[in-house]
Amino acid sequence: DAGVIQSPRHEVTEMGQEVTLRCKPISGHNSLFWYRQTMMRGLELLIYFNNNVPIDDSGMPEDRFSAKMPNASFSTLKIQPSEPRDSAVYFCASREQVGNTEAFFGQGTRLTVV
Amino acid sequence: RKEVEQDPGPFNVPEGATVAFNCTYSNSASQSFFWYRQDCRKEPKLLMSVYSSGNEDGRFTAQLNRASQYISLLIRDSKLSDSATYLCVVNSRAGGSYIPTFGRGTSLIVHP
Repeated sequence: DAGVIQSPRHEVTEMGQEVTLRCKPISGHNSLFWYRQTMMRGLELLIYFNNNVPIDDSGMPEDRFSAKMPNASFSTLKIQPSEPRDSAVYFCASREQVGNTEAFFGQGTRLTVV
Repeated sequence: RKEVEQDPGPFNVPEGATVAFNCTYSNSASQSFFWYRQDCRKEPKLLMSVYSSGNEDGRFTAQLNRASQYISLLIRDSKLSDSATYLCVVNSRAGGSYIPTFGRGTSLIVHP
């Protein structure tokens, strides 16, 4: 299995631009999580999906952030418009829904908004 | 108060030393526990699960104290390659799902 795949690996964009981050979970995993990691706040859960349905988006910082999961093999996290304070590493993770198991992470997208 | 708390370190130890990390969690409904390792500019990866009876994997020993809501990780005979950040993770039940909540991590530096 290729593991969780995220793209792009790096993104540099100007303030005000739209940014779309992509994630392909491990095949057969039913839960998908989006996290943001910064030095100041560590790993923060933004949103998670079970069976493609968003369950809890209370971690999404504000309306500029949105996430979708149109099918079991693809999810996006969109920031529109982006701001410099959005600069961080964004991780996608997936997990088998059944049971209390560990999550597997993608390699992350390092976002820099200038 | 953050749900999962860890001493950020860094812990700076010589090769061969024994080092212990602690973690406390606030949600008494937490169901399962893990230690992850994160190398610089890499993603977190599972190091080991933590079981109620305590468990060992080679040089690594994890322990859980549910009454005190406390988790520990012991590394014996430290290697240079153990240098990384160690993240404590707690799965807590919410809305029918188990949500992984991460601590900020403890940085370990093993020097020659």
